[in-house]
Amino acid sequence: GQQVMQIPQYQHVQEGEDFTTYCNSSTTLSNIQWYKQRPGGHPVFLIQLVKSGEVKKQKRLTFQFGEAKKNSSLHITATQTTDVGTYFCAGALNNAGNMLTFGGGTRLMVKP
Amino acid sequence: GAVVSQHPSRVICKSGTSVKIECRSLDFQATTMFWYRQFPKQSLMLMATSNEGSKATYEQGVEKDKFLINHASLTLSTLTVTSAHPEDSSFYICSASWASGRGADTQYFGPGTRLTVL
Repeated sequence: GQQVMQIPQYQHVQEGEDFTTYCNSSTTLSNIQWYKQRPGGHPVFLIQLVKSGEVKKQKRLTFQFGEAKKNSSLHITATQTTDVGTYFCAGALNNAGNMLTFGGGTRLMVKP
Repeated sequence: GAVVSQHPSRVICKSGTSVKIECRSLDFQATTMFWYRQFPKQSLMLMATSNEGSKATYEQGVEKDKFLINHASLTLSTLTVTSAHPEDSSFYICSASWASGRGADTQYFGPGTRLTVL
């Protein structure tokens, strides 16, 4: 079955440092979505990438979708304490309806 | 917009009892609702997918008779954990989406239900 791997599992950064999480799928995806879950909260949708090689930015967050549509990354520039949380990628297959397969998540901790 | 509510937020029950969790899409009609289970510091594990008016599709390893899912309307899905045992203690999260016809759609998550079985 489809697998979505995410690395690293944990990341500690000093406030102001950059952070990147990587997502790799065993199969080609129709699109990939990113979610953020704050401690004690529920996942919140951040963005969806659909096109091969697509790059999208949201303020300090940059999302990329690989040319082969099998990998993706989320980069945060100059982290802030409000960035703390777990970032999940979720991949969708063409023939899987609305179903998403979630990566294991990367837990980001930011030291002030 | 796209708000999903879940009730209850927390429940503590005795072993052997059944617990029902409700998931509602408040401001949109959800063609599909998903039920996930999340253990501490782990990812979301999809349990089942349900479409309004039809039987839920369960993921491998999820017992249909133990986790009963009903999706009676476009705004409500319920998950009933029958004869709960301590190993069923977990964080249960639902999500809802509507079919845009453009592949996998954004899922909007409920706040989750923390189930503790004593």
